[in-house]
Amino acid sequence: ETGVTQTPRHLVMGMTNKKSLKCEQHLGHNAMYWYKQSAKKPLELMFVYNFKEQTENNSVPSRFSPECPNSSHLFLHLHTLQPEDSALYLCASTHPAAGRTGELFFGEGSRLTVL
Amino acid sequence: GEDVEQSLFLSVREGDSSVINCTYTDSSSTYLYWYKQEPGAGLQLLTYIFSNMDMKQDQRLTVLLNKKDKHLSLRIADTQTGDSAIYFCAEKTGANNLFFGTGTRLTVIP
Repeated sequence: ETGVTQTPRHLVMGMTNKKSLKCEQHLGHNAMYWYKQSAKKPLELMFVYNFKEQTENNSVPSRFSPECPNSSHLFLHLHTLQPEDSALYLCASTHPAAGRTGELFFGEGSRLTVL
Repeated sequence: GEDVEQSLFLSVREGDSSVINCTYTDSSSTYLYWYKQEPGAGLQLLTYIFSNMDMKQDQRLTVLLNKKDKHLSLRIADTQTGDSAIYFCAEKTGANNLFFGTGTRLTVIP
């Protein structure tokens, strides 16, 4: 148990559906991340939020829309996805204070399948 | 941009040592990390090394850093079946963003 909870753990959706992934952390962290994990590819940084403000958008297509209503919650809204978007989506958090090692705490991931 | 490379697979026999290698491109990395991902789970920090160090040992784990060649390795002594997992190398640059490699899937053969 890392203190970062992701729901749902598994999601199957059609290309015309709209769904959302949710991430919640109770670690008192102020930075939250979305990563995409695909087979045989580097773990891909998608979005970063620091103190609820988006500080990184790593050229992610607009069919992925993040939302960070507060420092403890992060959402990834999905709309009109493609089959190649099927992957494991990992949420992570950290405390961005200077002097810390920057260790990320990951959730268990949401396995997304787009039909 | 940041580029972290690892081989995809490694198989070792139980009791042998495993060595997982990683190369990175950003010479301004401050910390380098090894994360472990067990089946059905997220990534967990295994160990890390500050960029001004060249070695760190933690029980069965030894991390070696060659900053000149931008090469990081993780050695696991007396590898056990419970060590079977995916091992990710990562570097921290600038802000708190970590960039990861593909992961190396370690299979331990009994």
